[in-house]
Amino acid sequence: EVQLVESGGGVVQPGGSLRLSCGVSGFTFSIYWMHWLRQGPGKGLVWVSRIGPDGKSTAYADSVNGRFTISRDNAENTLSLQLSSLTAEDTAVYYCVRGGIALAETFSVWGQGTLVTVSS
Amino acid sequence: DIVLTQSPDSLAASLGERATINCKSSQSILHSSNSQNYLSWYQQKPGQPPKLLMSWASIRESGIPDRFSGSGSGTDFTLTISSLQAEDVAVYYCQQYYGSPYNFGQGTNLEIK
Repeated sequence: EVQLVESGGGVVQPGGSLRLSCGVSGFTFSIYWMHWLRQGPGKGLVWVSRIGPDGKSTAYADSVNGRFTISRDNAENTLSLQLSSLTAEDTAVYYCVRGGIALAETFSVWGQGTLVTVSS
Repeated sequence: DIVLTQSPDSLAASLGERATINCKSSQSILHSSNSQNYLSWYQQKPGQPPKLLMSWASIRESGIPDRFSGSGSGTDFTLTISSLQAEDVAVYYCQQYYGSPYNFGQGTNLEIK
């Protein structure tokens, strides 16, 4: 069974940092593009970042560029997202999402999400 | 950036009725190299992650009931539920994967009348 399990969410103060992780199983992690998306409370879905199969190609939404860093460990089947300089606008459920083997493919598998709350 | 605009924002239909959700893209997401439309539809129920219903504008995912269908090309797309069931109550999103940032429509809230 294909599974994506996020962890690392919690409450953090404005300006703080947090590291999210996503453990995957049930598929060959190392050949897939992976993404992080988020959804603010009562809001829509927003793409945050993507990383290529070998970890060398990354991209970010303008709203997080320079503050968030995506990475992966193919040996450990783990995707990560380092969040820094957090503001209240970053409060959201963060989803780990599997893309395709090619870059331009849809988001086929989603984790359950982990909640990040930025509050003093 | 490609902007997707869904209509309506909310929709109430009776059980067994047809429900139609539209998605308009600010630019064509039909790729000339393969004649594919880089558009997906998702269903999200409260407290759950989104579920992929349709990719390539009209290809239903495995396990999705055939009352769900997708159509359209270029900039205008439609998700149709042919006979609404109680379990179809959800928010529906369209999304383009033609290029980064991979934007979503604002969502359509589907309810039972």
